[in-house]
Amino acid sequence: SQLAEENSWALSVHEGESVTVNCSYKTSITALQWYRQKSGKGPAQLILIRSNEREKRNGRLRATLDTSSQSSSLSITATRCEDTAVYFCARDSNYQLIWGSGTKLIIKP
Amino acid sequence: EAAVTQSPRNKVAVTGGKVTLSCNQTNNHNNMYWYRQDTGHGLRLIHYSYGAGSTEKGDIPDGYKASRPSQENFSLILELATPSQTSVYFCASGDYAGYSGNTLYFGEGSRLIVV
Repeated sequence: SQLAEENSWALSVHEGESVTVNCSYKTSITALQWYRQKSGKGPAQLILIRSNEREKRNGRLRATLDTSSQSSSLSITATRCEDTAVYFCARDSNYQLIWGSGTKLIIKP
Repeated sequence: EAAVTQSPRNKVAVTGGKVTLSCNQTNNHNNMYWYRQDTGHGLRLIHYSYGAGSTEKGDIPDGYKASRPSQENFSLILELATPSQTSVYFCASGDYAGYSGNTLYFGEGSRLIVV
């Protein structure tokens, strides 16, 4: 199976700045999801964006999907220290999710 | 809110011993999953289940067994634990909704150290 892959292993920005995490995949999808995992916790879904959608928002979070380039992005505006986490993209594959390896995002005070 | 509870949260086991990790979900989801997470590998699927009585092999099933005795409970069993199985294990539940996607709800993880 092929993985959805985030394009950066780690990012660091200052609190209040905006940041974008990118993800690329190599097969057709029905949906792509973004999850966040805080230290010591399990992943939690942030946004699910279906293949017929181009953009989806959840508060300060905005996900985009470009099926022609097989890529997605997750943007966070007005970052806060509590946004520090690992961000995963994941694509549906039958009854499973295929996970990227994650991008570690550090928000500096 | 979705609830997935894992036990134990922390476990130290001896090499060759048997370890059982338990997972309980109150979401009434059909599907349950066991993943392990190691630095540099992200989440890797060990076993999953479509419902009570069913278990399926994931990507890395060797050395692990699974049991789904009921809708709510899904266990991961290490019959002969080895140090290479030292990891953090996550259980998740979800209901595949076809085109609507398959949202997973995770427990807080079980940290296993095999010495």
